[in-house]
Amino acid sequence: GENVEQHPSTLSVQEGDSAVIKCTYSDSASNYFPWYKQELGKRPQLIIDIRSNVGEKKDQRIAVTLNKTAKHFSLHITETQPEDSAVYFCAASTPDKLIFGTGTRLQVFP
Amino acid sequence: ETGVTQTPRHLVMGMTNKKSLKCEQHLGHNAMYWYKQSAKKPLELMFVYNFKEQTENNSVPSRFSPECPNSSHLFLHLHTLQPEDSALYLCASSQDRLRQPQHFGDGTRLSIL
Repeated sequence: GENVEQHPSTLSVQEGDSAVIKCTYSDSASNYFPWYKQELGKRPQLIIDIRSNVGEKKDQRIAVTLNKTAKHFSLHITETQPEDSAVYFCAASTPDKLIFGTGTRLQVFP
Repeated sequence: ETGVTQTPRHLVMGMTNKKSLKCEQHLGHNAMYWYKQSAKKPLELMFVYNFKEQTENNSVPSRFSPECPNSSHLFLHLHTLQPEDSALYLCASSQDRLRQPQHFGDGTRLSIL
């Protein structure tokens, strides 16, 4: 069936460094790709999303890129801060369903 | 943010108990979802309601019974659960089934004794 693979499962970076999380999807009908951030004990919150007619989108320190041919999309966080520490989930959506990746635990050390 | 509110936040129950989880959204959305979040697993979609009609049931055991009386409220009735059902249950809503993104509640942490 359809799935979304997400890597790495854990990522540790020094404050100020960049972090990159990568996802691969299987359903070529996927046309919407959100990223959620979930802090410990809190709800998943949408931080950025991209639709299939766009290759890149940026919002301050976060950006998402999409390669439809390779079915890859990635989250880039620049100038990381301790408050960026959380679990990040990618997802790929067709008109029928939204499928989540397994999550990446990001730790930013001061 | 209080767009999607879930109660209770925590629930401990025995395997023979009956309880219900409640979700309420104040965003004017027409689609609501139940997800199960277990450690080291992707978010698992359980049920989808669109304009109060159930549009998806992802092979969820009958011990979980959803109810959507109107577009703002969603319930998950629990009966005779198993220890492996212990998880965080998240509710989400979106404009409608075809229009994302989804907005999540804080979840109910369920523990089955």
